[in-house]
Amino acid sequence: QVQLQASGPGLVKPSETLSLTCTVSGGSISGYYWSWIRQPPGKGMEWIGYIYYSGSTDYHSSLKSRVTISVDTSKNQFSLRLRSVTAADTAVYYCARHPDMIVIIDHWGPGTLVTVSS
Amino acid sequence: DIQMTQSPSSLSASVGDRVTITCRASQSISMYLNWYQQKPGKAPKLLIYAASSLQSGVPSRFSGSGSGTDFTLTISSLQPEDFATFFCQQSYSSPYTFGQGTKLEIK
Repeated sequence: QVQLQASGPGLVKPSETLSLTCTVSGGSISGYYWSWIRQPPGKGMEWIGYIYYSGSTDYHSSLKSRVTISVDTSKNQFSLRLRSVTAADTAVYYCARHPDMIVIIDHWGPGTLVTVSS
Repeated sequence: DIQMTQSPSSLSASVGDRVTITCRASQSISMYLNWYQQKPGKAPKLLIYAASSLQSGVPSRFSGSGSGTDFTLTISSLQPEDFATFFCQQSYSSPYTFGQGTKLEIK
């Protein structure tokens, strides 16, 4: 059974860069699309972007200028970098898998809380 | 961006009840609508994809319907393990947007 686990700092200072890595176990990262999704406290889910194992990406239009998603197939990992963060970026961040570019998420990681605060 | 509006935002029901949750899209999304269940502190779980297709392993008491802009998730007979938050998501176009969620509580 495929499992996803996000890791990274739980606290980031305003204006700095949020960096998270998702490690995929129990299956290969190859052949699939991999998304980052977040949920601010008390709000709904927000899709951030996805990467295909080959490296092609799609990002949320409102975050595109600040987001980079990358993949390392040798480590079975993909990563999120979100630059110039503010308190509005405080959220539980989820990594997730979908079998193709139609975003139907069949596996989610458990989520990790990232707080932006000085 | 396509806005997804769910109703109700919360719902109280009893074991054995039939429950319906509605999701409305701000423009037509054909049948590109998915439903997820999330329990506190857990990862979401895919229940229904493409508006009416039951994900493998999901009990048949869950069903979905609709097309265009209006969609429903129905639980035919609530079980104790069904109490959770449910949310819809459109996979029609980027950015892929979610409903705000419906919290289903025990009456």
